[in-house]
Amino acid sequence: GENVEQHPSTLSVQEGDSAVIKCTYSDSASNYFPWYKQELGKRPQLIIDIRSNVGEKKDQRIAVTLNKTAKHFSLHITETQPEDSAVYFCAANYGGSQGNLIFGKGTKLSVKP
Amino acid sequence: GAGVSQSPSNKVTEKGKDVELRCDPISGHTALYWYRQSLGQGLEFLIYFQGNSAPDKSGLPSDRFSAERTGGSVSTLTIQRTQQEDSAVYLCASSSTTGTNTEAFFGQGTRLTVV
Repeated sequence: GENVEQHPSTLSVQEGDSAVIKCTYSDSASNYFPWYKQELGKRPQLIIDIRSNVGEKKDQRIAVTLNKTAKHFSLHITETQPEDSAVYFCAANYGGSQGNLIFGKGTKLSVKP
Repeated sequence: GAGVSQSPSNKVTEKGKDVELRCDPISGHTALYWYRQSLGQGLEFLIYFQGNSAPDKSGLPSDRFSAERTGGSVSTLTIQRTQQEDSAVYLCASSSTTGTNTEAFFGQGTRLTVV
């Protein structure tokens, strides 16, 4: 069935280090892969997304990579700051364009000053 | 409105009662999603509406759960005969999916507590 696996479930890094979160998906028709950040007590908000026609996308300290062959995609945060501490969710659309969004179980990132 | 609006923000109900949760999506958004988030957990898919297509109900956990979307806009999630395990935050999101998926915007959620 529709499934998005996300690892690790928790991640602790020192301020200034990099953080990497990995996801896998199962539907070869998936073509849209967003990442959401959820701070404590708040709603999830989009931080970056990637479509299947590109392999990498960057936005300042955040980058996402996609390997369609392996059905993997990853979030990379460089020069982490305490305000990056949050839960991060990956997602993939199922059934192709306009498909449902299925989310991974989330990664709790803690950045220690 | 400017964003996705959900009501009520909080709901406390007695076990066995029915509840209705409302979602007002962003005007013009064709896609509407419902998710459930238990404390400290992930986003569990419940149901997905896309335009005039039949909704994807594959995530509804039991027949006590149902949802409708009237006129392609407002959606109501109904839980009948609530159980304690239904306690969670119910999140609604909407997106404009003309041609392809785009950013899904979330509401602030309804925190449901079944006592």
